[in-house]
This record gives sequence, structure tokens and C-alpha cells, in this order.
Amino acid sequence: KAGVTQTPRYLIKTRGQQVTLSCSPISGHRSVSWYQQTPGQGLQFLFEYFSETQRNKGNFPGRFSGRQFSNSRSEMNVSTLELGDSALYLCASSLGQSRDEQYFGPGTRLTVT
Amino acid sequence: LAKTTQPISMDSYEGQEVNITCSHNNIATNDYITWYQQFPSQGPRFIIQGYKTKVTNEVASLFIPADRKSSTLSLPRVSLSDTAVYYCLVGGPNTGGFKTIFGAGTRLFVKA
Repeated sequence: KAGVTQTPRYLIKTRGQQVTLSCSPISGHRSVSWYQQTPGQGLQFLFEYFSETQRNKGNFPGRFSGRQFSNSRSEMNVSTLELGDSALYLCASSLGQSRDEQYFGPGTRLTVT
Repeated sequence: LAKTTQPISMDSYEGQEVNITCSHNNIATNDYITWYQQFPSQGPRFIIQGYKTKVTNEVASLFIPADRKSSTLSLPRVSLSDTAVYYCLVGGPNTGGFKTIFGAGTRLFVKA
């Protein structure tokens, strides 16, 4: 069974631009969660989507948004990029129950200059 | 949401048993305890999950005392490849799931 895939793996953007990251979950998984990981703040939860609906949300500004499609694939968008948005963005999928094991993708390394 | 506290780092030698303890004083009745492992530049990987007493799988054991205010991840006979960051998560159906708070984790360094 194929694992979680994320595209692109690396991205360089300029302040003020916007970016869209993509995540394809494991087949059959209906929940997709997004995390931001930085050396200073660690692994922080952004949001979770289940059956195309946002089910949980972390404490991030509205510049961070996401969506999920009917095939469970998910996208995350960050608008008006700031230098502090430079991070590893991880996507995780699970079957959908709250205590289900999460399977993480390799992440997208975003650098904002 | 249940907050967790773990040691920032630990050192060990190959072949030793390593025990990492996580404190979660305000764990709720429905909360489970889950541990993840993360290598540099990779996403975390599930290790083990438990609710009470002891759980064992092919890579680790999880010990949870009766009051459930802490838990201990036990890694038997570690090798150099076990050098990683280990995260303890606490959550359940009524706390937004396991997806919210990873905490700082424990950086384990295994020496030869």
C-alpha cells in the first residue's frame, strides 16, 4: 500500500507570495491533518479534514487555510507569506477515528526569503 | 487538552534498555496515550499506544500506572538507529483527537 505523499518536497518563495501544498493520503484514509514543524516551535497542529470538512483547527492565523477533496486528497494554502512561515509542513492521514494511528508523509520544506 | 511533559534529551549506549517517561497529570478518562518516533527531516512514525497497564509490540513496551498520570516508553536493547526524537501524545474522542499537541519531545542519542 502506498504511503502518504506530499508535493512538492521543496519550495522557495518570496515574502508576500502565496503557496499551495498538496497531500495524498493512504488509500482508504478519510482524515488528513496538517502540521508545521520549526526548530523553535516544534511540531504544531494546523488543521484536520475529514470527509471534506474541517474537523479540528489549531491556533494559526487565517492566512493558513486548507481543503479536502472527495477523494480525500488535501491541499494547504498559505497566503501573504512571512519569513516565519519557513518550516517543514507535514501531512498525516488516518482512518478517521480520533485515536487512530497517523501516518505521516515526508513533508514539504518551505523556505521564505 | 492534556499537556505532556517529557525530558528534553537522553543519552544511552547500544544494547541498553531505555525508558522515557511522560507526565500527563490532567489526562481525561477517555484519553489514550500514544508515542511517536521522528528522525531528522522525516515525519513522525507511530510506535505504540495504550490506555492502562502495559502494552507491548515488536519494538517497544508502554507502561501506564493505575492513576494514568504518567507513562513510560521502554525501548529494549537500543541501537544507533534508535537515535531520534520521541513524542508522547495524550488525547481521545473529546479532546480533539491525537492531532493537536506533540510537545517538545525527547531527543534520544544512542552512542556506540
